Amino acid sequence: DSGVTQTPKHLITATGQRVTLRCSPRSGDLSVYWYQQSLDQGLQFLIQYYNGEERAKGNILERFSAQQFPDLHSELNLSSLELGDSALYFCASSVGAEVGYEQFFGPGTRLTVL
Amino acid sequence: AQKVTQAQTEISVVEKEDVTLDCVYETRDTTYYLFWYKQPPSGELVFLIRRNSFDEQNEISGRYSWNFQKSTSSFNFTITASQVVDSAVYFCALDGGATNKLIFGTGTLLAVQP
Repeated sequence: DSGVTQTPKHLITATGQRVTLRCSPRSGDLSVYWYQQSLDQGLQFLIQYYNGEERAKGNILERFSAQQFPDLHSELNLSSLELGDSALYFCASSVGAEVGYEQFFGPGTRLTVL
Repeated sequence: AQKVTQAQTEISVVEKEDVTLDCVYETRDTTYYLFWYKQPPSGELVFLIRRNSFDEQNEISGRYSWNFQKSTSSFNFTITASQVVDSAVYFCALDGGATNKLIFGTGTLLAVQP
């Protein structure tokens, strides 16, 4: 158990809908990351937050957005869902934001878009 | 650009065989970190090792060992006396630049047959 929690574990929805994925980092970690794992794209970095501020952006679609709240939990919002958004979404956390900090991964949220 | 290549898509071995998983990386950063993660069938990502670019010492942890060679930009992972429980997808990842985002390879699926 990494100490990172993600809810829900599974999510099934329809095209065009909007969903919110939630992540609680390990106690003491200030940085949160979101990754997407799909058959087409593999494991891809989406976005990073550090202590409430956006720190880095990867290949995140405009239909996707995220935020980190004062209690450090983070939410990833996916809107206007398409079939291709079906994937496993991981959240990770680390103590710091700079290069080299070990990232601890949550169990993931499996999103299925029908 | 940063890139991680895991040329071996799938490897199948019989229990007790030794197996080496290859990882080749590209980066222009002088300071960077390399990681290996394990993803068992249950889906979570399990951290195995982190190595920084200034430390080329090989590392051994039980049946696992890692060979880091900057001259060939490789960070290979060897499992000695493989076991069925080692069956998983193994990812090599690179972390460099100004932010702590991981660039993953495409993964190697290791199947250990009894």
